[in-house]
Amino acid sequence: DTGVSQNPRHKITKRGQNVTFRCDPISEHNRLYWYRQTLGQGPEFLTYFQNEAQLEKSRLLSDRFSAERPKGSFSTLEIQRTEQGDSAMYLCASRANPPGGPKRGNEQFFGPGTRLTVL
Amino acid sequence: KQEVTQIPAALSVPEGENLVLNCSFTDSAIYNLQWFRQDPGKGLTSLLLIQSSQREQTSGRLNASLDKSSGRSTLYIAASQPGDSATYLCAVLSFYNQGGKLIFGQGTELSVKP
Repeated sequence: DTGVSQNPRHKITKRGQNVTFRCDPISEHNRLYWYRQTLGQGPEFLTYFQNEAQLEKSRLLSDRFSAERPKGSFSTLEIQRTEQGDSAMYLCASRANPPGGPKRGNEQFFGPGTRLTVL
Repeated sequence: KQEVTQIPAALSVPEGENLVLNCSFTDSAIYNLQWFRQDPGKGLTSLLLIQSSQREQTSGRLNASLDKSSGRSTLYIAASQPGDSATYLCAVLSFYNQGGKLIFGQGTELSVKP
């Protein structure tokens, strides 16, 4: 399977615990994005990387959230001291750069998501 | 600030009907617009991408149109089937932030009844 993969698919944790999610992008894609989606809403942007550099962060990304992409390959998203409001689907997407790479250019391809439930 | 709206939030149609889903955006300075499908509890599957210079894109029974000047896109589904039941999301990429984030609408939940 050459698509975007995310692990774990589901995570249940107690309030106050730390959690870490992993995303493996499509191998030739050097841009990687994290989004958060709550029930009944569209995804909201959190942050994105070009290779290992984190280029943009949303105001949604509080100081309890940290994302890394060592060596420009997979990425991790860590949430410290989880709160019930963090319960959501966390989606990862990747894209090639320059946009002329894949035939559909600028298209972001999404993984299956990680469903987080904070009790 | 770009805002994307999808109306209606939910739609139920009988099998075989042709239908149109709507997406509107407030800032016409977009680079492209993508339509996605999302099944319950799953990730997003890209359906169609329209570049800002294009008027429409077609894939099978799906046709997406784009009118930048009016800030609108539509997704036309022909001869709907129960398997088309899902949430459909549109998202825009800003012309001024082409490497960056997609701005999503809230989605339209489609139910096609046999």
